[in-house]
Amino acid sequence: DAMVIQNPRYQVTQFGKPVTLSCSQTLNHNVMYWYQQKSSQAPKLLFHYYDKDFNNEADTPDNFQSRRPNTSFCFLDIRSPGLGDAAMYLCATSEQGAWQPQHFGDGTRLSIL
Amino acid sequence: DQQVKQNSPSLSVQEGRISILNCDYTNSMFDYFLWYKKYPAEGPTFLISISSIKDKNEDGRFTVFLNKSAKHLSLHIVPSQPGDSAVYFCAASRSTGTASKLTFGTGTRLQVTL
Repeated sequence: DAMVIQNPRYQVTQFGKPVTLSCSQTLNHNVMYWYQQKSSQAPKLLFHYYDKDFNNEADTPDNFQSRRPNTSFCFLDIRSPGLGDAAMYLCATSEQGAWQPQHFGDGTRLSIL
Repeated sequence: DQQVKQNSPSLSVQEGRISILNCDYTNSMFDYFLWYKKYPAEGPTFLISISSIKDKNEDGRFTVFLNKSAKHLSLHIVPSQPGDSAVYFCAASRSTGTASKLTFGTGTRLQVTL
């Protein structure tokens, strides 16, 4: 089945220790997105890629960065995680253009010690 | 500033009856609206959408209504089934030309009882 896969499902890191979350897709979609969802809150868009074109949201902290080496893979790097970065991180993909639904992975739950 | 609001955190409905989930938005630039369903430990699953040029879209048991003047949309599920028990997220999108960036509500937990 074509899908969006996130690894790992659960990630524990230490305060200030860099961490990388991974997302891969078999849908061959041009656009990939990263969302952060804290407990009982709405998922919040961090950034998205259209092909290799990176688009950051204005209020995304500098601590968060992303890489997309090819169509299939996208990474979320958190350079110096703080306690406030503990959350569920969701990756999604869509076809390019307006009015396209996004397809989500099952998320990575990040805990900070 | 929450641009998409789901004011009911939870809803309980009997099996076979209609479930109505509501969503309000404030940004008139939104032009595409979606509903996602989420089970525990899974990512959101796309359910149904509607563009701003329509006021109704149906897909089987699911119908979404859009009232642009009131900046309000609703999801109707009829008849409701126990498997519909999940968290439902409303989302709104403003198209950039190459992507649809979603703004989500906080979700409504639907419980369908026997």
